[in-house]
Amino acid sequence: QVQLVQSGAEVKKPGASVKISCKASGYTFTSYALHWVRQAPGQGLEWMGWMNGGNGNTKFSQKFQGRVTVTRDTSASTVYMELSGLRSDDTAMYYCARELSGGGGSWGRLGSWGQGTLVIVSS
Amino acid sequence: QSVLTQPPSVSGAPGQRVTISCTGSSSNIGAGYDVHWYQQLPGTAPKLLIYGNTNRPSGVPDRFSGSKSGTSASLAITGLQPEVEADYYCLSYDSSLSGYVFGTGTKVTVL
Repeated sequence: QVQLVQSGAEVKKPGASVKISCKASGYTFTSYALHWVRQAPGQGLEWMGWMNGGNGNTKFSQKFQGRVTVTRDTSASTVYMELSGLRSDDTAMYYCARELSGGGGSWGRLGSWGQGTLVIVSS
Repeated sequence: QSVLTQPPSVSGAPGQRVTISCTGSSSNIGAGYDVHWYQQLPGTAPKLLIYGNTNRPSGVPDRFSGSKSGTSASLAITGLQPEVEADYYCLSYDSSLSGYVFGTGTKVTVL
């Protein structure tokens, strides 16, 4: 079955960077797009960006452009999301989520989700 | 502030029907982009409930249904039971933002 397993919680100081991993299993890694979504404590969901499963191209929300990098290791079926210049309002649960349908492209149908990675930014 | 607006909360008695609206604009729902709905139970990751405006993924009960008209979409839940108490979010693409946006979220309470 499809599984997305994310790395563990992180505590970072303001200005630092954090790199979260999302290891996929149970499907052909390069056939499905992966998205990143975050949720601040007590707040709603916020879409951050996505990576095309086929060619690895990425697209991010304007809010995060210049601060977020998404890379992948296809041999390890793992996607990495790095957020730099951390601020206290980046404290949130970060999720990776896979598209429901294959083909590598994005439709916003996030059919499988990781368990989430809590990032706390505090001095 | 999201460009997709939802009511903060809706409630109903067991067995009743409730609807959640997702109001957008001509750059997202009104432009023809699909609306998807997610359910988030307390302390868990979101779950895809409705995709492509009206379609249920395998395993989602038919008590959940979606619709779309003009610049808005709706999620209906029939036969309310305690297990549907959760937060619900719509998601669509916005051409002016060149990206996806979630709705503001709605908390469903079973009285």
